[in-house]
Amino acid sequence: GAVVSQHPSWVICKSGTSVKIECRSLDFQATTMFWYRQFPKQSLMLMATSNEGSKATYEQGVEKDKFLINHASLTLSTLTVTSAHPEDSSFYICSATGFRVQETQYFGPGTRLLVL
Amino acid sequence: LAKTTQPISMDSYEGQEVNITCSHNNIATNDYITWYQQFPSQGPRFIIQGYKTKVTNEVASLFIPADRKSSTLSLPRVSLSDTAVYYCLVSSGGGADGLTFGKGTHLIIQP
Repeated sequence: GAVVSQHPSWVICKSGTSVKIECRSLDFQATTMFWYRQFPKQSLMLMATSNEGSKATYEQGVEKDKFLINHASLTLSTLTVTSAHPEDSSFYICSATGFRVQETQYFGPGTRLLVL
Repeated sequence: LAKTTQPISMDSYEGQEVNITCSHNNIATNDYITWYQQFPSQGPRFIIQGYKTKVTNEVASLFIPADRKSSTLSLPRVSLSDTAVYYCLVSSGGGADGLTFGKGTHLIIQP
């Protein structure tokens, strides 16, 4: 139980385009989802927290207009990287917690984004 | 959030027991201790979580002394596939708060 999926697993795009990444909780309802970013050989860094039906809370230094987060249902959150640039190339990972798994977070497999 | 300190890297051999210790001197009363494992280009995988004393599951044990200022993840009889980065995290509020990841411990298992 407590499975989280992400789609796509990797994406290559041209500079200036927008990319949407989906995060789904497959076997539980996720009241809260989180988005992290991880650069090579570095640790995960929290970008934002989203609760179903409300606006996401962004960490300091993360541009909310660039990284659009939507948590429209209890099983789906999306992260859209708008007008992507090469410096946005990274490994994006979501996690989720919910009614059945309140005490910890379960992570998705991650999405590798490469902006050319 | 309580800061954690753990060794940057550790080496061991197949079949050995590996213990990774994490210090968290400023842990709060309602904080839980959680360990994750991460392989390259994968999301972290939950290993074990505890509040005090000892917790054991099918893959690991977690030892937490009475003062809770440290914790030790114990991996019995490791194999090559246990080579990964292991993160110790301390957080309150259940899973409702974003997690602050430290640098983790890069565990390398040799034949």
